[in-house]
Amino acid sequence: AQSVTQPDIHITVSEGASLELRCNYSYGATPYLFWYVQSPGQGLQLLLKYFSGDTLVQGIKGFEAEFKRSQSSFNLRKPSVHWSDAAEYFCAVNRDTGNQFYFGTGTSLTVIP
Amino acid sequence: DSGVTQTPKHLITATGQRVTLRCSPRSGDLSVYWYQQSLDQGLQFLIQYYNGEERAKGNILERFSAQQFPDLHSELNLSSLELGDSALYFCASSVAEGYRETQYFGPGTRLLVL
Repeated sequence: AQSVTQPDIHITVSEGASLELRCNYSYGATPYLFWYVQSPGQGLQLLLKYFSGDTLVQGIKGFEAEFKRSQSSFNLRKPSVHWSDAAEYFCAVNRDTGNQFYFGTGTSLTVIP
Repeated sequence: DSGVTQTPKHLITATGQRVTLRCSPRSGDLSVYWYQQSLDQGLQFLIQYYNGEERAKGNILERFSAQQFPDLHSELNLSSLELGDSALYFCASSVAEGYRETQYFGPGTRLLVL
């Protein structure tokens, strides 16, 4: 069965520190992978996506993610976190048009001064 | 701004009532997805429509129904509302690049059932 796991429910980092949010997936084929961010009271905004090719993808707001097939992972990273990055982050997978998207349970990020 | 619009932004109603949530997808997007987000359940996929036809069903209750109209906007109908239906309801529309699909989310409708 397809599933997405975000092992960290909540992460706290200091402003200016680096960030890595973990995402592991279970899927029958190499999936398409996505990261979304949700600020309080807002909808989900697409940060980046991976379909194929270069396994390191760049997104908006200075985020990047790396697809590692051997580890079934798609971890999100940012070299220097800003206070405005405090939000909920969701990893999602799907494969091919018409297939259901599977979302992780989210990781809540707190940024401290 | 994703280009997906949802109305209303907020809705307060009583148990047993019926409400309709509306979603307008991004221009050109044929697929609409509905999700429910609550504190204890996370983001739950409810149902998907593609060009007016139901394509996939998730954890949607029988009290809930949806449809997509010829102009591609979609409505989610929630009836016999219970306290536990209080949640954020999101609509997403998707664009396909060949076999690859990306979802874009609307701002959501916050439903409070009292």
